[in-house]
Amino acid sequence: EVQLVESGGGLVQPGGSLRLSCAASGFTFRNYWMSWVRQAPRKGPELVALINLDGIPTYYLDSVRGRFTISRDNAQNFLFLEMNSLGAEDTAVYYCAKDLTWQQFDYWGRGTLVTVSS
Amino acid sequence: QSALTQPASVSGSPGQSITLSCTGTSSDIGSYNFVSWYQHHPGKAPKLMIYDVSNRPSGVSYRFSGSKSGNTASLTISGLQADDEADYYCTSFTTSAYVVFGGGTKLTVL
Repeated sequence: EVQLVESGGGLVQPGGSLRLSCAASGFTFRNYWMSWVRQAPRKGPELVALINLDGIPTYYLDSVRGRFTISRDNAQNFLFLEMNSLGAEDTAVYYCAKDLTWQQFDYWGRGTLVTVSS
Repeated sequence: QSALTQPASVSGSPGQSITLSCTGTSSDIGSYNFVSWYQHHPGKAPKLMIYDVSNRPSGVSYRFSGSKSGNTASLTISGLQADDEADYYCTSFTTSAYVVFGGGTKLTVL
């Protein structure tokens, strides 16, 4: 059974940092592109970052480029999102998602909530 | 404002068929057959219901079907059931941002 379990979210002050993790199991992790998708309150989801099989970041949302870094550990089956200089606009539930094909995601985690507030 | 436009809410009675729409542009839905639909019960993991416009993943009920015409994609749910009540999001591949999402439709089963 495919499982994606996010962790690392929480309450952080503006300007702070967080590192999100996603533990993957039930599939050959190294064979799939992976993504972080977020959904802010009362808004539609948006793709935050995308990483290819070899661990090369392929896409960042304009508003996070330079502040967020996506990475993966194919040996331990983990996906990460390092988030710096966080602002209120980054408040959202962050989901880890497995790419089926052409950024259509066949498995998602339950998400981890990131709240940026003083 | 989301890149793809979905109605905010749709409702139907058990047993009915309903169709959710998703309108994009010639840069996304109109150019690519990489349109997908997700069902999301709040607090749970989103679930892929349709990919490549009309393909159902293994385990997804035949009651769910997808189609596309021009810049608009559609998800039809037949024989509506109480458990179908959820938020539904559409997506499309786009070269500018890899994937764009709709704002979501809240389906209420009366």
